[in-house]
Amino acid sequence: QSALTQPASVSGSPGQSITISCTGSLSDVGGYKYVSWYQQHPGNAPKLIIYDVSNRPSGASHRFSGSKSGNTASLTISGLQAEDEADYFCISYTSTSIHLLFGGGTKLTVL
Amino acid sequence: QVQLQESGPGLVKPSQTLSLTCTVSGASISSGGYYWSWIRQHPGKGLELIGYIYYTGSTYYSPSLKSRLTISVDTSQNQFSLKLNSVTAADTAVYYCARDGAYSGNYYFDYWGQGTLVTVSS
Repeated sequence: QSALTQPASVSGSPGQSITISCTGSLSDVGGYKYVSWYQQHPGNAPKLIIYDVSNRPSGASHRFSGSKSGNTASLTISGLQAEDEADYFCISYTSTSIHLLFGGGTKLTVL
Repeated sequence: QVQLQESGPGLVKPSQTLSLTCTVSGASISSGGYYWSWIRQHPGKGLELIGYIYYTGSTYYSPSLKSRLTISVDTSQNQFSLKLNSVTAADTAVYYCARDGAYSGNYYFDYWGQGTLVTVSS
């Protein structure tokens, strides 16, 4: 069981927007502005797409956006494209010695 | 451009030691500011942090693996390594090395290796 809770799967049609949630606690997601999101296509390494809740690294699509409310962070993908079909993971800072907690991952299917 | 590359055997026998090395290019481990991490992903599952090391040799190990785990760093070769003893089939996974900026207040993994599948089987 992962420390951060994500839905196992979400789906959407091309052009639509979808949101993936990442729920933790006040000790991690809720207490700090340090949530990151990663996209992982099958057989590939994870790729950073959002850091510090809502910042996009250079090269990440503008269709990815992040937000946070309380103990839940969210990744929104707008204008869904077939290439967005992948697994998405969240990671949050935690005040314990491990300092980073992982979500279980969400499989996005583009219908 | 920072690049990380895992290397090591893809097949390990039960009870033996799993050994992997991550070679870093485009950045110097000894410059500091980053933790160098090992992460694994069991088939069809989520990511699991194995542990990490700072260039000084300071380490963090996952409590569930601590008794079997050693992570070391060789700054002269710009590499860090993982040794996991007494492996079982449950250690079959894709193993990734990654750079974690937490030491500098950047709490995310910005660069990852491609990953290497390690299968534990006789």
